[in-house]
Amino acid sequence: GQQLNQSPQSMFIQEGEDVSMNCTSSSIFNTWLWYKQDPGEGPVLLIALYKAGELTSNGRLTAQFGITRKDSFLNISASIPSDVGIYFCAGRDRSNTGFQKLVFGTGTRLLVSP
Amino acid sequence: DGGITQSPKYLFRKEGQNVTLSCEQNLNHDAMYWYRQDPGQGLRLIYYSQIVNDFQKGDIAEGYSVSREKKESFPLTVTSAQKNPTAFYLCASRGPVRGIENIQYFGAGTRLSVL
Repeated sequence: GQQLNQSPQSMFIQEGEDVSMNCTSSSIFNTWLWYKQDPGEGPVLLIALYKAGELTSNGRLTAQFGITRKDSFLNISASIPSDVGIYFCAGRDRSNTGFQKLVFGTGTRLLVSP
Repeated sequence: DGGITQSPKYLFRKEGQNVTLSCEQNLNHDAMYWYRQDPGQGLRLIYYSQIVNDFQKGDIAEGYSVSREKKESFPLTVTSAQKNPTAFYLCASRGPVRGIENIQYFGAGTRLSVL
C-alpha cells in the first residue's frame, strides 16, 4: 500500500522552540489530517484540512493544505514537554463511493527537553 | 461517554493459535476499520467495513479475518496463517460522509505478541 513521505523522522528540541514537519505525496488528496499518538495509545486527531491553501490553527498548532494538494505541513509553536509523541499526517483520496481510505505518513517522533 | 473501546490492551498468541481482538463503538458510526502499526512505520489498513454485514480487504488482509454482524462491533481475528502477527493493532470508526463527523477516530489499541 501507498505511504506518504513524512519528514523529519525524528526531532529532539528544547522546550519553547518551534517545530515544523511536513508530508508529501505523489497523489492528490482532497483532505489532509494530522494526528498525534502518545506511546501505547491510539492516534488523536489534531487538525483537519479540507481545501487547497487552507491554513488552520488549533491552539499552538498550525497546519496548511498545500496548493498542489500533494503536501501539507504542521507547525507547533513554543513547544512544551507534553508535545512529546509521534505525529502522523494522513491524506484522504477523492473517492466518490463513500469509501474513505486514509493513507498515512511514516510519522515524526518528537522529543522535547525541559 | 461516546467512543471506541478496544480489548484486550495486551494479548499473547501461541504458535498455531487464532486470537480475536475486540472493537466496540457507541458513536453510531457506519464505517469501521482495522489497522496494523509496526515500529517506525505508519498505519496499514487490514480490513474495513462500510456497513453491517459487509466488509472489504485492505492492503494487508492475508492472515486476518473479520465479521460485522452488529453496527457497534467489528472484531478482528488473527489466524495462524499470519506468520508475523506481533504488532500494535488499531481500530477506527468514521461518521457520515456528509457531516462534520467525516473523520476517522481511533481506539486505544491492542498490542499483540507471540509467545
